Amino acid sequence: QSVLTQPPSASGTPGQRVTISCSGSSSNIGSNTVSWYRQLPGTAPKLLIYSNNQRPSGVPDRFSGSKSATSASLAISGLQSEDEADYYCAAWDDSLNGVVFGGGTKVTVL
Amino acid sequence: QVQLQESGPGLVKPSQTLSLICTVSGGSISSGNYYWSWIRQPAGKGLEWIGRIYTSGSTNYNPSLKSRVTILVDTSKNQFSLKLSSVTAADTAVYYCARERGLSRFFDYWGQGTLVTVSS
Repeated sequence: QSVLTQPPSASGTPGQRVTISCSGSSSNIGSNTVSWYRQLPGTAPKLLIYSNNQRPSGVPDRFSGSKSATSASLAISGLQSEDEADYYCAAWDDSLNGVVFGGGTKVTVL
Repeated sequence: QVQLQESGPGLVKPSQTLSLICTVSGGSISSGNYYWSWIRQPAGKGLEWIGRIYTSGSTNYNPSLKSRVTILVDTSKNQFSLKLSSVTAADTAVYYCARERGLSRFFDYWGQGTLVTVSS
């Protein structure tokens, strides 16, 4: 049972827009920034979004993040086959005094 | 370009202590406002944060693992380590080390991960 709640799966056809939600509480998302990670099969997670909506150098602008109150979202526009991966949200939790992750969302390109 | 590499035994017996080392290259572990973290992932499951250390030696641990975890840093070797005691099969996972940006709290560099299996 993860502290942050994500849907287990999401899907779309090539070119579509897919959105992944991440729900938390006042002690984590409500008071700290959110980051997002993409994990391709058999590889380490890779930073996709930090500080709610910032993209690291090299991450396409097809990926965007947002946050409102105790929830955050990751949007992938212009879905491509290589976007098939697991996506995780994360945030610091003031009550636990540690980092908490979402359970992950598997994105499938139909 | 910062790189992290995990190393350690791939097989640990139940009740024993799991020990891993993360070697950092491409930059000093002592420079900048960074925390150095351990994260694990059981097969087919999500990510679990284990804990982190600052170069001052200050640590934070996952409350669910705190009684069994020790994270240390060796700045002379540009390494940090993880010890997890009294392991059981539930501790079988891929273990990652990662660098966390201190103020913004995100993981910008990750090791490739190492599989540790707990079995007799």
